[in-house]
Amino acid sequence: AQSVTQPDIHITVSEGASLELRCNYSYGATPYLFWYVQSPGQGLQLLLKYFSGDTLVQGIKGFEAEFKRSQSSFNLRKPSVHWSDAAEYFCAVGEGAQKLVFGQGTRLTINP
Amino acid sequence: DTGVSQDPRHKITKRGQNVTFRCDPISEHNRLYWYRQTLGQGPEFLTYFQNEAQLEKSRLLSDRFSAERPKGSFSTLEIQRTEQGDSAMYLCASQGREAEAFFGQGTRLTVV
Repeated sequence: AQSVTQPDIHITVSEGASLELRCNYSYGATPYLFWYVQSPGQGLQLLLKYFSGDTLVQGIKGFEAEFKRSQSSFNLRKPSVHWSDAAEYFCAVGEGAQKLVFGQGTRLTINP
Repeated sequence: DTGVSQDPRHKITKRGQNVTFRCDPISEHNRLYWYRQTLGQGPEFLTYFQNEAQLEKSRLLSDRFSAERPKGSFSTLEIQRTEQGDSAMYLCASQGREAEAFFGQGTRLTVV
């Protein structure tokens, strides 16, 4: 069965610092990988996705993620965070047009 | 705004009452998903429709839960005889030919 692990439940970074959120997945074939962001009490917004091709994908709000098959990872990065990036971030894996399996999420806090 | 709307946004109900939620997907999307998200967790898959056909149900969907998507348009999720353990955010997502899912803002259910 597919599974997603986000090892960091809570991360705090200073505004302007770089960010990396970790995601590891378990899936037999080439996965479809996603990162979503959720503000308190809101739904999920898609940040970026990986289906195939270039393993470094660019998303919205200055985020990027790199797919590393050898490590079964899809880590999310941002070179300089802004206070508005404070939110919950979810990594998800899916098989084409199928249901998504989500990680537990990483809560990001930004220090001023 | 993702184009997926859910109603109501919040629902408080007494234990034992029935509740119904509605989801209006993006009009050209033929796939519709329901997920449940409890506090501090990622969303968990409940059920999936392709057009009007309900193709998959999670074991999380007990007999008290029923979902419909008449005419392949909007969908409803009904919970009968609500229990406190049903308190959660219920998220709807729609998906077109691309594999990315667009989420609504969710319905927050509180059972008292």
